[in-house]
Amino acid sequence: AAGVIQSPRHLIKEKRETATLKCYPIPRHDTVYWYQQGPGQDPQFLISFYEKMQSDKGSIPDRFSAQQFSDYHSELNMSSLELGDSALYFCASSFFYRGKNTGELFFGEGSRLTVL
Amino acid sequence: DAKTTQPTSMDCAEGRAANLPCNHSTISGNEYVYWYRQIHSQGPQYIIHGLKNNETNEMASLIITEDRKSSTLILPHATLRDTAVYYCIVRVDPRGNKLVFGAGTILRVKS
Repeated sequence: AAGVIQSPRHLIKEKRETATLKCYPIPRHDTVYWYQQGPGQDPQFLISFYEKMQSDKGSIPDRFSAQQFSDYHSELNMSSLELGDSALYFCASSFFYRGKNTGELFFGEGSRLTVL
Repeated sequence: DAKTTQPTSMDCAEGRAANLPCNHSTISGNEYVYWYRQIHSQGPQYIIHGLKNNETNEMASLIITEDRKSSTLILPHATLRDTAVYYCIVRVDPRGNKLVFGAGTILRVKS
């Protein structure tokens, strides 16, 4: 079965550079979520989109922005990178409709960002 | 969403049942109990969820107390591959809502 695809899997950047992470949700999933997981920490919710509109916002820095495109893929843009941005970034997707729905979030393998 | 409390870590012998407890004493009537796990550096994986009744699927069983203030995730025959961090999450209306991860339980399955 198709899963959530994230790219790139690994990314190395210098301080003050920019980075873009991409997420391709499972086909027919309409909601995308972004999470950040620092070393030894639990995943922290950043932001989510439903039908291309921002649906919820968590602890996302102002230096970060994200959007969901017409094909439902999403991109997380990070600017003025800091050492503390080094983390695993997970994307998850789900579908939203009434009826039988477990509300399950399906996570990708993650993108590991290292800021030097 | 209600706060949950889990043990920091637990050990389990391979082939035995692993019972992971979770306290959610402030849970509301419309909040579900979800369990996810994260194997080292992989994306979190859904295990099971429930509202009031006990639930079972191919991975695990979920036992929710009658007052809904606590629950137990049961892995009936733990294997080494079940070593992971297990998260108990309480969540209102699952459709379209984010998961908020707290401090989970590190389960170590040992041979």
